[in-house]
Amino acid sequence: GEKVEQHESTLSVREGDSAVINCTYTDTASSYFPWYKQEAGKGLHFVIDIRSNVDRKQSQRLIVLLDKKAKRFSLHITATQPEDSAIYFCAASMTGGYKVVFGSGTRLLVSP
Amino acid sequence: EAAVTQSPRNKVTVTGGNVTLSCRQTNSHNYMYWYRQDTGHGLRLIHYSYGAGNLQIGDVPDGYKATRTTQEDFFLLLELASPSQTSLYFCASSGGTGNYAEQFFGPGTRLTVL
Repeated sequence: GEKVEQHESTLSVREGDSAVINCTYTDTASSYFPWYKQEAGKGLHFVIDIRSNVDRKQSQRLIVLLDKKAKRFSLHITATQPEDSAIYFCAASMTGGYKVVFGSGTRLLVSP
Repeated sequence: EAAVTQSPRNKVTVTGGNVTLSCRQTNSHNYMYWYRQDTGHGLRLIHYSYGAGNLQIGDVPDGYKATRTTQEDFFLLLELASPSQTSLYFCASSGGTGNYAEQFFGPGTRLTVL
């Protein structure tokens, strides 16, 4: 089955800098790649996704890149703010599938 | 926005104990999920369901049963709890149109098995 590897377990950046979180996946059939954010003591909530028919998507300060050949995708957070501090999970899913496989999470700390 | 609630929020039991975790969603979503979250493993899918009476096995089902009694309610049952089941459990629901569906998560239940 699909496996998603999230490469950074922790990431520390200064406020205003950019943060990049990298993930790889194994199943070439995966075509949907959502990202979720978990703030301290809370459940996850969706932040952005990308589908395999594009290689870049941006929503405000969040940019997702997808390299299907390398089976790699990444989340870029620009102009980081303290409220970006959280655990970020990448995930992968196949077309038509409601089952997603999550990575192990990256704890992002944005310091003033 | 979909509302997903879980109860209890915290539970302590002993090895061999019987535990039921409850989840309710109020957005008429078809799909509901149970995950466990452990450090270093992220979220792992235990069971999921696409409607009342339906159950699908996830990636880490051993030691867990689940039941979907209505579209709103999904239960996770640990009939002989073991310390390895100490974890943070999340319920989620999804049901958007099209092939891709955002999942909405509950606040989690922290289970400790002594």
